[in-house]
Amino acid sequence: NAGVMQNPRHLVRRRGQEARLRCSPMKGHSHVYWYRQLPEEGLKFMVYLQKENIIDESGMPKERFSAEFPKEGPSILRIQQVVRGDSAAYFCASSTPQYGYTFGSGTRLTVV
Amino acid sequence: SQQGEEDPQALSIQEGENATMNCSYKTSINNLQWYRQNSGRGLVHLILIRSNEREKHSGRLRVTLDTSKKSSSLLITASRAADTASYFCATGLTGGGNKLTFGTGTQLKVEL
Repeated sequence: NAGVMQNPRHLVRRRGQEARLRCSPMKGHSHVYWYRQLPEEGLKFMVYLQKENIIDESGMPKERFSAEFPKEGPSILRIQQVVRGDSAAYFCASSTPQYGYTFGSGTRLTVV
Repeated sequence: SQQGEEDPQALSIQEGENATMNCSYKTSINNLQWYRQNSGRGLVHLILIRSNEREKHSGRLRVTLDTSKKSSSLLITASRAADTASYFCATGLTGGGNKLTFGTGTQLKVEL
């Protein structure tokens, strides 16, 4: 059981480029959550997905950010036209329907 | 404002002492969880306490929950240098699915 796998661990993008962050949930987990952590702050909820469905995207910025969790393959958090303020650590977690949160190690995005 | 707010923001103690961190929240919750995060790393789940529980133990950890005061405390007994990390509380809201709302964290430093 490899846990929640996120890649890449570190990602550097120039302003205006696109960032794609991947998350493979734990085996048997059908729920995926994305959180963002700014330096010296706690985690802020972004989006909650189940296979092929977005359940709650109340924490997603209205523009440039999107997320998907296809039937096959990892969940993707996509940030278009990145800006310096997008620099943060992005964490993915997966769970079972009851409870069972497991976090990945995160992707640290730096926008230069 | 944050659903969960920890205090103190930072705590420095000597090895062998006990460390107590507090968390306050605002709305009705289903459960409250504590996580540890080492610098630059992902989150590690420590303990979950449900809204109908008042106290829970796990090794050197003791968590209390007072739903009337909307607060929780995490006690680490006989602290070790390896306990140095940031500690976050996270609340699962009633009706909020499995989405967690994180506090701002307490930075604990245990000195030799």
